[in-house]
Amino acid sequence: KAGVTQTPRYLIKTRGQQVTLSCSPISGHRSVSWYQQTPGQGLQFLFEYFSETQRNKGNFPGRFSGRQFSNSRSEMNVSTLELGDSALYLCASSLGGVGGNEQFFGPGTRLTVL
Amino acid sequence: AQSVTQLGSHVSVSEGALVLLRCNYSSSVPPYLFWYVQYPNQGLQLLLKYTTGATLVKGINGFEAEFKKSETSFHLTKPSAHMSDAAEYFCAVRTNTGTASKLTFGTGTRLQVTL
Repeated sequence: KAGVTQTPRYLIKTRGQQVTLSCSPISGHRSVSWYQQTPGQGLQFLFEYFSETQRNKGNFPGRFSGRQFSNSRSEMNVSTLELGDSALYLCASSLGGVGGNEQFFGPGTRLTVL
Repeated sequence: AQSVTQLGSHVSVSEGALVLLRCNYSSSVPPYLFWYVQYPNQGLQLLLKYTTGATLVKGINGFEAEFKKSETSFHLTKPSAHMSDAAEYFCAVRTNTGTASKLTFGTGTRLQVTL
């Protein structure tokens, strides 16, 4: 079974631009979560989507948004990029049930904002 | 609110020595606890998890962790370190609110293995 895939793997943008990152979950997984990883703040939860609905959101500004498609693939968008948005963005998929279902992570997209 | 504290941002051990990475959690409900490992330029790989039942959990690559409710701890151990274990390790607690859930991570512990 293929793992979680994220595209692109690397991205360089300039301040003020917007960016869209893509995540394809493991086949059969209906939940997709996004995390931001930075040296200063560590791993922080952005949001979770399940069956095309956002069911949980972290403490990030509205410039960060996401969506999920009917095939469970997910995208996240960051508008009006700031230098501080430079980070590794990780996507994780799970079956989505309540309980201890583990999240499987993709390799991440490394975003650099210049 | 749930939280995780990892004691020691860097741990160095000799090859063949015991690995002990510490994790303490705070949770108002019975927690689901996880350990992940991250190698350079890669995502996170699940080492092991605790949900319910047996408090000693065995994972991949010879790692195990013990859930101690009285100490609110979930320390990760490996009897004998290998050079390939050098990586960053994250402890996480899963927060369930209704049907929504998220992982709250500790700040990570970088493990160095020396000859």
